[in-house]
Amino acid sequence: KQEVTQIPAALSVPEGENLVLNCSFTDSAIYNLQWFRQDPGKGLTSLLLIQSSQREQTSGRLNASLDKSSGRSTLYIAASQPGDSATYLCAVPGGSNYKLTFGKGTLLTVNP
Amino acid sequence: NAGVMQNPRHLVRRRGQEARLRCSPMKGHSHVYWYRQLPEEGLKFMVYLQKENIIDESGMPKERFSAEFPKEGPSILRIQQVVRGDSAAYFCASSPRDRGVDNSPLHFGNGTRLTVT
Repeated sequence: KQEVTQIPAALSVPEGENLVLNCSFTDSAIYNLQWFRQDPGKGLTSLLLIQSSQREQTSGRLNASLDKSSGRSTLYIAASQPGDSATYLCAVPGGSNYKLTFGKGTLLTVNP
Repeated sequence: NAGVMQNPRHLVRRRGQEARLRCSPMKGHSHVYWYRQLPEEGLKFMVYLQKENIIDESGMPKERFSAEFPKEGPSILRIQQVVRGDSAAYFCASSPRDRGVDNSPLHFGNGTRLTVT
């Protein structure tokens, strides 16, 4: 059974810092890994999807890496801004490609 | 280009009542997925539907919960005789085709927050 763990559970940083969020999963036989952002009371916004054959994906100030063999992914946020404050979730397909297993998320607060 | 639309955003029901949650997928998407987020827990898969077909309902509680995606209209998640433990955020996602084909990302709606009093 796939399990996803995200560390840390919460993170508070001053504006401008570079930071790394971590995600680990127990079953390395995955099709892909997806990072989401969830704002309070809102839905999930897809940030990056890394295919199993890829090692990283970049979008603006975000860079996500994937190491399937070790069951790990990291989300790197450069030059953080207060608007980045949200909960960041990672998810991998568990069993079937549509049946995502989510971590509990990292609550990020960027202080001005 | 509207995203996944869910309504209502908030729903309050007393114990024993029925809750009906609606989801309209993105335009051109014919695959719908429901997830539930209980307090202090991660999102959990509930059910996967295509038009007029339930493909996988392995995450649905065995009783009181049902889902449909008719030929016309939104997908409906129905919870009968709600209990306090059903209080959660229910999210719907859609994709244009079977994700087993192209690994396309799921697009989520803003969710319906159900409170059972």
